[in-house]
Amino acid sequence: QSVLTQPPSASGTPGQRVTISCSGNSSNIGRNTVNWYQQLPGTAPKLLISNSNQRPSGVPDRFSGSKSGTSASLAISGLQSEDEADYYCAAWDDSLNGHVFGTGTKVTVL
Amino acid sequence: EVQLVQSGAEVNEPGESLKISCKGSGYTFPTYWIAWVRQMPGKGLDWMGIIYPGDSSTRYSPSFQGQVTISADRSISTAYLQWSSLKASDTAIYYCARTYFYHNSGQFYYYMDVWGKGTTVTVSS
Repeated sequence: QSVLTQPPSASGTPGQRVTISCSGNSSNIGRNTVNWYQQLPGTAPKLLISNSNQRPSGVPDRFSGSKSGTSASLAISGLQSEDEADYYCAAWDDSLNGHVFGTGTKVTVL
Repeated sequence: EVQLVQSGAEVNEPGESLKISCKGSGYTFPTYWIAWVRQMPGKGLDWMGIIYPGDSSTRYSPSFQGQVTISADRSISTAYLQWSSLKASDTAIYYCARTYFYHNSGQFYYYMDVWGKGTTVTVSS
């Protein structure tokens, strides 16, 4: 029942830049901050970006987030093999009065 | 070190009740929200709800309201997720996460910065 839409997959070769989009509406991304989570295979999700563009301590600066209107993006520059994972955007939704996740994007390093 | 330690894997039959736990350490447990997130096999993340252990305020996703109960015991720094009657469709991994949740200047700030390793719940006859 995800209300935030992401492409199902993205890929790149080592060193390339990959961008993942997240589309929402005026009740979620349009009004509130966006977060991004990385989920490596078989592990719990990890916070990658908070408040639309802030990296928690320990997250490499290869990861960056941005937001414009009702959409957000996660960019991975200098792609590395260890970046192969599922990535989820998320935001608070005022209409649902709850938190919503994106559909998820699987990143493959070729 | 901030940690959330979740209870072990469960295997139950349909109709049984279940309560799983999430114990926080390394921070002031009552002053942070705790969220519960479901991940069904091979699927994405579903937000279930949150609780503020300081006063037990809760918010539920409409999809999970009435289906589960979220509670907390601040005296032992533990949050809980419980079912009164499990269904096969409850088979999933359940994660708890420490959560920042506040409202400022007209927008909500919400993010989950520390996650437990997850509890696998299998419901099968």
